[in-house]
Amino acid sequence: DAGVIQSPRHEVTEMGQEVTLRCKPISGHDYLFWYRQTMMRGLELLIYFNNNVPIDDSGMPEDRFSAKMPNASFSTLKIQPSEPRDSAVYFCASSVHRVLNTEAFFGQGTRLTVV
Amino acid sequence: AQSVSQHNHHVILSEAASLELGCNYSYGGTVNLFWYVQYPGQHLQLLLKYFSGDPLVKGIKGFEAEFIKSKFSFNLRKPSVQWSDTAEYFCAVIPSTGFQKLVFGTGTRLLVSP
Repeated sequence: DAGVIQSPRHEVTEMGQEVTLRCKPISGHDYLFWYRQTMMRGLELLIYFNNNVPIDDSGMPEDRFSAKMPNASFSTLKIQPSEPRDSAVYFCASSVHRVLNTEAFFGQGTRLTVV
Repeated sequence: AQSVSQHNHHVILSEAASLELGCNYSYGGTVNLFWYVQYPGQHLQLLLKYFSGDPLVKGIKGFEAEFIKSKFSFNLRKPSVQWSDTAEYFCAVIPSTGFQKLVFGTGTRLLVSP
């Protein structure tokens, strides 16, 4: 298995532009998580899905952030409009059903820079 | 909801020194516990995990952690660190039942000098 795949690896955009981050979880995993990592705030959980359904989005910072999971193999995190303070590394992670194994596998991350 | 605290934000050690990183969690029920490592410029990778059974858990690269339920702690240890252990270490917790999220501590940056 190729693991969790995120794209793009790096994104540089201007303030006000829309940014879309993509994630392909490991096949067969029921849970998908979006995290944001910054020097100041560490690793923050933004939202997570179970079987494509958003379970907890309390970590999404503002209405400018939205996440979707249209099917079991794809999720997006969108920021519209983007702001410089959104600059961070965004990680996607997935895990199988909790009864079997709750270890989360992380993607390589997308480093977002908003100028 | 659960929370995790890691007391040491930065640790500097010389090679061959022993390591212990603190992790405490708060949650009233049973939990699963993890330590992840993030090498510079890379993604998080699992070091070890505790679900149940023996509270002393051994992971990869000589790391181990001990779950002490009475202290709500899950400290990470390694008897002799190497330069290649320079990384950021994250403790994480998730309740064992129900729809709950995996929550991470703020991380500890370890620098091992040769």
